[in-house]
Amino acid sequence: NAGVTQTPKFQVLKTGQSMTLQCAQDMNHEYMSWYRQDPGMGLRLIHYSVGAGITDQGEVPNGYNVSRSTTEDFPLRLLSAAPSQTSVYFCASSSLTSGRAYEQFFGPGTRLTVL
Amino acid sequence: ILNVEQSPQSLHVQEGDSTNFTCSFPSSNFYALHWYRWETAKSPEALFVMTLNGDEKKKGRISATLNTKEGYSYLYIKGSQPEDSATYLCALNFGNEKLTFGTGTRLTIIP
Repeated sequence: NAGVTQTPKFQVLKTGQSMTLQCAQDMNHEYMSWYRQDPGMGLRLIHYSVGAGITDQGEVPNGYNVSRSTTEDFPLRLLSAAPSQTSVYFCASSSLTSGRAYEQFFGPGTRLTVL
Repeated sequence: ILNVEQSPQSLHVQEGDSTNFTCSFPSSNFYALHWYRWETAKSPEALFVMTLNGDEKKKGRISATLNTKEGYSYLYIKGSQPEDSATYLCALNFGNEKLTFGTGTRLTIIP
């Protein structure tokens, strides 16, 4: 199993550009989520999904869109990049039925810089 | 917003010494507490998941305890080694599948 994979690992954007961060998992997990990690702020939830076709906002959703057309994939779209979106982005997934209290598995992260 | 607080923010410990740090949380709506280990340039990895008051978990030299009534968990590391250097994250499920993370305790082991 590859677990949770993210692409790209690094990205530099100019203000106003759009892009999609890719996330995929091969564990058949129902729950997938996107976090951003900023110094001194910990991990903050951007968007999450409890299954294909279902998405919801987390703590810091503004400027980001998500969709969940399949169980495996959960892409994060930046609509018009801003310097405030410079961060490290982590995708995570968990099973809602394993009895492991929603233990999350994290991808390797994407480091995004917006100039 | 339900706050998860970790202390201290950072810690330097001599190799071979034992150490511990704290995660505090509001006890209402508690469902589960998670400890993650996060090494620099890697992604967080789960250490423990605890759900019951009085729960204790152990993995090698690392152990954790949980007190849901008073809203805290302790993580202990016995006989610290350089490979223990990492940020230790605490996260909670408050009645649903979403995790709320603390800001972490950054542990540095001094050889």
